[in-house]
Formats: sequence, C-alpha cells, structure tokens
Amino acid sequence: SYVLTQPPSVSVAPGQTARITCGGNNIGSKSVHWYQQKPGQAPVLVVYDDSDRPSGIPERFSGSNSGNTATLTISRVEAGDEADYYCQVWDSSSDPNVVFGGGTKLTVL
Amino acid sequence: QVQLQESGPGLVKPSGTLSLTCAVSGGSISSSNWWSWIRQPPGKGLEWIGEIYHSGSTNYNPSLKSRVTISVDKSKNQFSLKLSSVTAADTAVYYCARTLRSGSYYNPWGQGTLVTVSS
Repeated sequence: SYVLTQPPSVSVAPGQTARITCGGNNIGSKSVHWYQQKPGQAPVLVVYDDSDRPSGIPERFSGSNSGNTATLTISRVEAGDEADYYCQVWDSSSDPNVVFGGGTKLTVL
Repeated sequence: QVQLQESGPGLVKPSGTLSLTCAVSGGSISSSNWWSWIRQPPGKGLEWIGEIYHSGSTNYNPSLKSRVTISVDKSKNQFSLKLSSVTAADTAVYYCARTLRSGSYYNPWGQGTLVTVSS
C-alpha cells in the first residue's frame, strides 16, 4: 500500500513560518489534501488539491507538491494554529485507495 | 451548508456489532457526493473505513471489508455503518464525512463519536 510519511512534530515561534512535509513515492503526481485537527475536535480541511484553500481558511495556509514531497506552509503562525496536521491522498493502486499520513503535531513556542 | 452528525451507542461488547448513523442536514444525501466513514483510535492517526454513493455503490477498506457494511437511507437523509465482530482494537472516534467524488478530499466532517469496545 501507498505510504505517506510526516514528521511527528514541528515547532515554530509565533509570527514565523511553519513547514510541514508529507513524503510519498512520486507524490507530485497525486492530489494532496491537508487537515487541521485541534484536541477533541474533528479534522478540518485547510488545503485541497495541493494548493487550494476552502472558503474561510486564512491565506496564511498554503500548499505545494512536487517530486516526492508535499508541503503545507503556515505563514505568520499564531497560537491558534497549534494542532495536529494530516496529509491525505487517493492512490488507485493502493489498498486501501484512501491514505492518510501519520500526522504532525505543530507546537507554537 | 451541509452538516453531519453521528449517533449511536458509545459502548459495544467484544464480538458484537458496532452500529452508527450519520444524519445529513443542509443538503440532500442524493446529491452527487460520496459519504464516508473514517475512524481514529485514541492518540493515533486517521483510518479510512469506507464510502457510499446514494445509489448504494460502496467502497471499503480491504482490511475491514469482511466486517463492514455501509448503507444509505434516502428517506431519512442519513447513512449508516455496521462493523461486526468487534474487538478492543476497534475502539476509536468514528467520523462521518462528505467527499465530492470518490477519492477526493473530505469536507465537512461530523463532530465524531467515541465508541469503546469493552465487556
């Protein structure tokens, strides 16, 4: 099955830029989606199709995808951005087809 | 906008069947969307369980396929999950979610419901 690899944790100071990576074999050929999950809450879509933002998501959240790595970038990080972040893809040759990364805990110092 | 709400027993005995329902509001379950179940064991990551289209077409996670049934009730605008022969490993928060097409992103999600498997 297809594997998505995320760093367990990323730390950043307020106002700085956080970059959370999602590694996978030729992930650049797939559409990558990102979710934010705060403690005790359901995941919320923050970036879809590599770099698009749903309505209501701040422009500070952006995404990119190339080669073997997709990246979620959070600019001007705020305390409220502290959460777990998950990447997700659909892979036609994987079982299951829907694959989530293991998640990254973003800590705002 | 579309909202989803899970409901069902919070405690299921080992070897029993877990049954959950997801009520859809603010939109029709017969629209061109797929409706999914995703779970998250305590302190762990997300696992896709399966999905259904209003026509009844389904796709399941192969690791759970022998135990899972997802169905849709268009008259009640809801869909359901049944997971049989449960063990402690099935203890998780269960989420329902909408996807615009099979294999796309999930938006929105329900608030989730914790199901504990214990005697």
